[in-house]
Amino acid sequence: GPKVLQIPSHQIIDMGQMVTLNCDPVSNHLYFYWYKQILGQQMEFLVNFYNGKVMEKSKLFKDQFSVERPDGSYFTLKIQPTALEDSAVYFCASSRDWGSYEQYFGPGTRLTVL
Amino acid sequence: GDSVTQTEGLVTVTEGLPVMLNCTYQTAYSDVAFFWYVQYLNEAPKLLLRSSTDNKRTEHQGFHATLHKSSSSFHLQKSSVQLSDSALYYCALIGGSNAKLTFGKGTKLSVKS
Repeated sequence: GPKVLQIPSHQIIDMGQMVTLNCDPVSNHLYFYWYKQILGQQMEFLVNFYNGKVMEKSKLFKDQFSVERPDGSYFTLKIQPTALEDSAVYFCASSRDWGSYEQYFGPGTRLTVL
Repeated sequence: GDSVTQTEGLVTVTEGLPVMLNCTYQTAYSDVAFFWYVQYLNEAPKLLLRSSTDNKRTEHQGFHATLHKSSSSFHLQKSSVQLSDSALYYCALIGGSNAKLTFGKGTKLSVKS
């Protein structure tokens, strides 16, 4: 079936550095998402994105976070600067349509901030 | 806001026996869609079931779930589990006209021989 790829699978960085998480969504999908999962907790919505714009974001989507998809390439989540509490698994997802349509998930990027 | 509760962190079942994974929810929306996602080890979560119709049974890959709005539940069931069903199962919902999934904490299903 359709696959969402995430690069890298693991990332270790020092607090205060910048990190970019990359997502290669399903090719004909137009809506993109990031979710965050801290160890032992549920996956939580961060942001969704369509046509170059953030559509919805949660309170977890701090000012240090940004998303973009330049020229139809990777959908990226950038954190600058990183903080210890940003350590988590970040899941990217994409969907064909808005609303309650199936979101296809990637395998996640495990981010460790030291 | 919306919330999804999965009370069991780990469920262990012997192969061939039935299983039910619990999912209850709270939402202020009347228009809500419910999902079960399954995540195998080192893989991406993938959709197992979806439903938005009250009291209608939805089935896929031997699993089934029925949305019961009267009890705010969307439990996942299977009549005879297999070793290959061992995975992490997430219940989730989307309420209203938004597109953000609210997840439960997940239940790890471990099937033993």
